[in-house]
Amino acid sequence: SQQGEEDPQALSIQEGENATMNCSYKTSINNLQWYRQNSGRGLVHLILIRSNEREKHSGRLRVTLDTSKKSSSLLITASRAADTASYFCAPLSGGSYIPTFGRGTSLIVHP
Amino acid sequence: EAQVTQNPRYLITVTGKKLTVTCSQNMNHEYMSWYRQDPGLGLRQIYYSMNVEVTDKGDVPEGYKVSRKEKRNFPLILESPSPNQTSLYFCASSAISSGANVLTFGAGSRLTVL
Repeated sequence: SQQGEEDPQALSIQEGENATMNCSYKTSINNLQWYRQNSGRGLVHLILIRSNEREKHSGRLRVTLDTSKKSSSLLITASRAADTASYFCAPLSGGSYIPTFGRGTSLIVHP
Repeated sequence: EAQVTQNPRYLITVTGKKLTVTCSQNMNHEYMSWYRQDPGLGLRQIYYSMNVEVTDKGDVPEGYKVSRKEKRNFPLILESPSPNQTSLYFCASSAISSGANVLTFGAGSRLTVL
């Protein structure tokens, strides 16, 4: 299994702005997942993008995947204070069923 | 409601006193896993299980034991807890038969070892 590396480690923005966070990984993948964690609580799955997809949307979330650069980005548009959380990516390599997580990006959205 | 239930949610114990953190899921998931989360270190996998009676070490298995006698339960056992096992623990499960392995997490168990 491999873990993703999220960047930046911390991000602070105003309500209404867009937030972009990135994930890099090392080896080829089957899919890549993004999760959110509100302070001290369990992670919640947000979105999954497969290796043959380049972009996926879910509400205010937009995920892109560039397999040539081994990277993914998560864009949250028109952010809200309730988006304040840590965000983790989990790349899944071919044949692996083991999602592993990095340190995440801590996002703070100021009202 | 589909969920992963962990107990206890909070526990303060002393060095050497055996404890078990229970994890139960009601989704008939094959895959279950334990993670610990420490400040600045992210989530690290302790043990995982692909199905009943099948368990494997994750990245930080030392000091922990698990068992998977039934599909729904995956308890985490600390035989002789030490202060460096003070952490926030999460259990998670997924249906690997779906091919995507999207995890459902429990609410977490905050353990303090004095």
